[in-house]
Amino acid sequence: QVQLQESGPGLVKPSQTLSLTCTVSGGSISSGGYYWSWIRQHPGKGLEWIGYIYYSGSTYYNPSLKSRVTISVDTSKNQFSLKLSSVTAADTAVYYCARLWFGELLGASFDYWGQGTLVTVSS
Amino acid sequence: DIQMTQSPSSLSASVGDRVTITCRASQSISSYLNWYQQKPGKAPKLLIYAASSLQSGVPSRFSGSGSGTDFTLTISSLQPEDFATYYCQQSYSTPRFAFGPGTKVDIK
Repeated sequence: QVQLQESGPGLVKPSQTLSLTCTVSGGSISSGGYYWSWIRQHPGKGLEWIGYIYYSGSTYYNPSLKSRVTISVDTSKNQFSLKLSSVTAADTAVYYCARLWFGELLGASFDYWGQGTLVTVSS
Repeated sequence: DIQMTQSPSSLSASVGDRVTITCRASQSISSYLNWYQQKPGKAPKLLIYAASSLQSGVPSRFSGSGSGTDFTLTISSLQPEDFATYYCQQSYSTPRFAFGPGTKVDIK
């Protein structure tokens, strides 16, 4: 059973960089076949896809956040990470990491999720 | 970009009711539509992928249908544990995924 767990500071100051890590257990990021994603949810709101990465390092970002987002992978630790720069209060949200599965002719779905971590941007 | 809408935004239902939630895409997305269930304080859970395929472990009272622009999620007999918010998500225009705004199902 694949499990994902987010970690990182719960409070970030405005203009600073938000940094989160997702640790994957029960499966290897390096085995391929899956992409590793970040999704966020503003308080009381819907879900916003941030971006994803393949174990090789290939990344894809939401165009609305692309200028501020960096996703990286550390296969030796079976982890992937999110950095979001120049944060404002609008970046306050629950951040989820998730596994993205592409099925042939079935599209792509987020089949395993971490529990989520609330990040508040405030001075 | 493809926009997703859901209706209703919320509904009240009783245990045992048949519940139907609709998701509409701003352009055809074939069958590349997923449904998720989210309970308060929890991560979303994948219920249905590719419009009508039931994710492993999901009860058979959940079903999905549709193609093109119009999709439905049906709960055949609502159970107490089904009170939650449901989101649709398109994967036609990868990597630009989009989620619907959600439909909250609560107790009548």
